[in-house]
Amino acid sequence: DAGVIQSPRHEVTEMGQEVTLRCKPISGHDYLFWYRQTMMRGLELLIYFNNNVPIDDSGMPEDRFSAKMPNASFSTLKIQPSEPRDSAVYFCASSLESLNTEAFFGQGTRLTVV
Amino acid sequence: QQPVQSPQAVILREGEDAVINCSSSKALYSVHWYRQKHGEAPVFLMILLKGGEQKGHEKISASFNEKKQQSSLYLTASQLSYSGTYFCGTLLGSNYQLIWGAGTKLIIKP
Repeated sequence: DAGVIQSPRHEVTEMGQEVTLRCKPISGHDYLFWYRQTMMRGLELLIYFNNNVPIDDSGMPEDRFSAKMPNASFSTLKIQPSEPRDSAVYFCASSLESLNTEAFFGQGTRLTVV
Repeated sequence: QQPVQSPQAVILREGEDAVINCSSSKALYSVHWYRQKHGEAPVFLMILLKGGEQKGHEKISASFNEKKQQSSLYLTASQLSYSGTYFCGTLLGSNYQLIWGAGTKLIIKP
């Protein structure tokens, strides 16, 4: 398996624009996680899905953020409208069974909002 | 609610030992350890599920003291490849979120 695949790897956008980050989890993994990492706030869990259903989105910072998982092999994180403070590295991760199993991270998307 | 990691950073010579601590103010269900190298994704090291449990892999091991609500990661005879930032993640229960510590930066010098 190629692992968790995220796209794009880098994204530079202007404030106010819509940004969509994409993730393909490892096949067979039931859990998918979206994380944000910044120097100031560290690693934050934004939302996670179990079998394509959002379970906990309490980490989503604002209504500008939304995430979907239309099927077991694809998820998106959308920011609309984007702001400079959204600049961060966004990681997608997947795990096999539960929160208590190894999570495999994608290589991340470095988002810069100017 | 965020676990506290200590130290924030440590510099070692190759071959030396290090201990990284992760403490919580709340009772823990499990503790997760990951290592992240600069510009890369976090990589799984181990999960400790029971109080007092110790797990190990080669020269990296960890303990989980449920009563003290803390976990320690032990790196013995450190190698250059151990350099990176180590994160602990804590789970308060099966229906809770995984909350991450701020990380401990480990620098190994030859």
